[in-house]
Amino acid sequence: NAGVTQTPKFQVLKTGQSMTLQCAQDMNHEYMSWYRQDPGMGLRLIHYSVGAGITDQGEVPNGYNVSRSTTEDFPLRLLSAAPSQTSVYFCASSYLGGQNSPLHFGNGTRLTVT
Amino acid sequence: LAKTTQPISMDSYEGQEVNITCSHNNIATNDYITWYQQFPSQGPRFIIQGYKTKVTNEVASLFIPADRKSSTLSLPRVSLSDTAVYYCLVGDMDSNYQLIWGAGTKLIIKP
Repeated sequence: NAGVTQTPKFQVLKTGQSMTLQCAQDMNHEYMSWYRQDPGMGLRLIHYSVGAGITDQGEVPNGYNVSRSTTEDFPLRLLSAAPSQTSVYFCASSYLGGQNSPLHFGNGTRLTVT
Repeated sequence: LAKTTQPISMDSYEGQEVNITCSHNNIATNDYITWYQQFPSQGPRFIIQGYKTKVTNEVASLFIPADRKSSTLSLPRVSLSDTAVYYCLVGDMDSNYQLIWGAGTKLIIKP
């Protein structure tokens, strides 16, 4: 059981470049989300989705786009990378609602923007 | 606006019981309390969740007093591999995407 898979593990971009971080889950979870984690800080929510075709903004959405065309995949797009977007990005998924629906996380993508 | 307060760091020794307390004075009626563990270079991992009184699973116990304004994660007989950052979160289970993550508690276990 793969769980939540993120690719790539590492990425270096130059300012102004664009790229897509991939996230896939094989647990048939309705809810998927993207977080960023900066050194010594907790996770901050970027975007989330409660099902295919439905997305919404989190706490820090600026500079990022998402789409959810299938239940399994939830890619995160950086439109024009900036040094402030240097961070570790985590994708997470869960069943929607109710008790015992914890978040399942991928192992992250470490992004450096120079 | 952070909903929880935890110690920034704690030290303990192998074989000891470790208790990490989290304050959540503004917890709402529908909020559950959830703890996650994060190792370096990995995503957080769910440990335990509860609403009131005591919950126990194979790795930890969670103690919640009647007023629910705090909770304590208890790790029995810790080992070096329990060195990690532990996050306490509160949130409505029907909208877990609104959880606010603090900086967590960095737990260091010494031999």
